Amino acid sequence: AQSVTQLGSHVSVSEGALVLLRCNYSSSVPPYLFWYVQYPNQGLQLLLKYTSAATLVKGINGFEAEFKKSETSFHLTKPSAHMSDAAEYFCAVRSSFGNEKLTFGTGTRLTIIP
Amino acid sequence: GAVVSQHPSWVICKSGTSVKIECRSLDFQATTMFWYRQFPKQSLMLMATSNEGSKATYEQGVEKDKFLINHASLTLSTLTVTSAHPEDSSFYICSAPGTGDSGANVLTFGAGSRLTVL
Repeated sequence: AQSVTQLGSHVSVSEGALVLLRCNYSSSVPPYLFWYVQYPNQGLQLLLKYTSAATLVKGINGFEAEFKKSETSFHLTKPSAHMSDAAEYFCAVRSSFGNEKLTFGTGTRLTIIP
Repeated sequence: GAVVSQHPSWVICKSGTSVKIECRSLDFQATTMFWYRQFPKQSLMLMATSNEGSKATYEQGVEKDKFLINHASLTLSTLTVTSAHPEDSSFYICSAPGTGDSGANVLTFGAGSRLTVL
């Protein structure tokens, strides 16, 4: 079975500072990994995904994530935080084969300090 | 890109009544759709997989008779919360494997439906 662990339910960074949201996964098969963002009272929007191609994945809004198999990690980063980045971020994993069910982490709420 | 539409976005109902939530794939066909439930400040929990032309597959612990799922067509899945009670109040989100940019069956999510049972 697959699972993801997001370290830190709340992260606060100053505007313009580096954003680092942590995600570690557990999977018995090569995983597909995703980061989604959720704004208040909205559904989820895909930020980026890893599907066994390049280990450094670039997404929308300046976010990127690096797949590190040795560390079983898929941390999300952005060099310079913007006020509009304030939201809930979810890491998710699914089996690379089989159905498309996603297992989500518990989420990290990102707050941007002006 | 792929768009999933949910309706209604907000619904308030009295305890004991039933509420239907629709999930539509607007510009693509979806033989499978997924229904998630999200409690305040918590993660998404998969409730069931909706399958066009066959019965839904429910996750362990989800009451089939309470949460009726019907995948009526390749673009529509509905979730009916029967005899709703206050504990059923939650944010319900559907998703469908869309034809994402990469073609890697990326899930596209609806905007969610917030159910409040009085």
